[in-house]
Amino acid sequence: EAGVAQSPRYKIIEKRQSVAFWCNPISGHATLYWYQQILGQGPKLLIQFQNNGVVDDSQLPKDRFSAERLKGVDSTLKIQPAKLEDSAVYLCASSFVRDTGELFFGEGSRLTVL
Amino acid sequence: GENVEQHPSTLSVQEGDSAVIKCTYSDSASNYFPWYKQELGKGPQLIIDIRSNVGEKKDQRIAVTLNKTAKHFSLHITETQPEDSAVYFCAASTSSQGNLIFGKGTKLSVKP
Repeated sequence: EAGVAQSPRYKIIEKRQSVAFWCNPISGHATLYWYQQILGQGPKLLIQFQNNGVVDDSQLPKDRFSAERLKGVDSTLKIQPAKLEDSAVYLCASSFVRDTGELFFGEGSRLTVL
Repeated sequence: GENVEQHPSTLSVQEGDSAVIKCTYSDSASNYFPWYKQELGKGPQLIIDIRSNVGEKKDQRIAVTLNKTAKHFSLHITETQPEDSAVYFCAASTSSQGNLIFGKGTKLSVKP
């Protein structure tokens, strides 16, 4: 079974520029998550989707971050404008069961903001 | 909200020795406690989990214990091997939230 696919794997931009990350979850997984992992820390949830609806976006910096999952499958996370502190790995995960189910993570997209 | 503390931040052991990583959580409503292993350049991968109605769970060389009264849980790896070297994260969640709060991670190094 194919895993969670993410692209791009690496991205370097200057502050105030914009960037977008793409995620394709495991087939059949209704729940999709975007996590931010800053170097040396554990992943922190940014947003959680159930099908194409938002379940939790309480920790998403909405003045600069946006995410969508229009058809309940693929998802895109956008940052505009980027700040230096946005440098991190952005992990996408999916799960079959919404509550307390195993999360399957992609390999992540590493963002460096200069 | 939930807060998860993890110790130690780094752990170095000789091959064949045991390794123990400890976590504490703050929200008494948390009822699901997974452990994830993250290798360099990869996403975290679930290695074992435990729910609040169980005190201990074992899977080959890996075991997890949970003390709900003290609000702490631990990962035990026996007979460590070099391929166990990675960063390990504990996490906690409540069924009402559905999302995981991760600890800061423990970098385990197993020396051959």
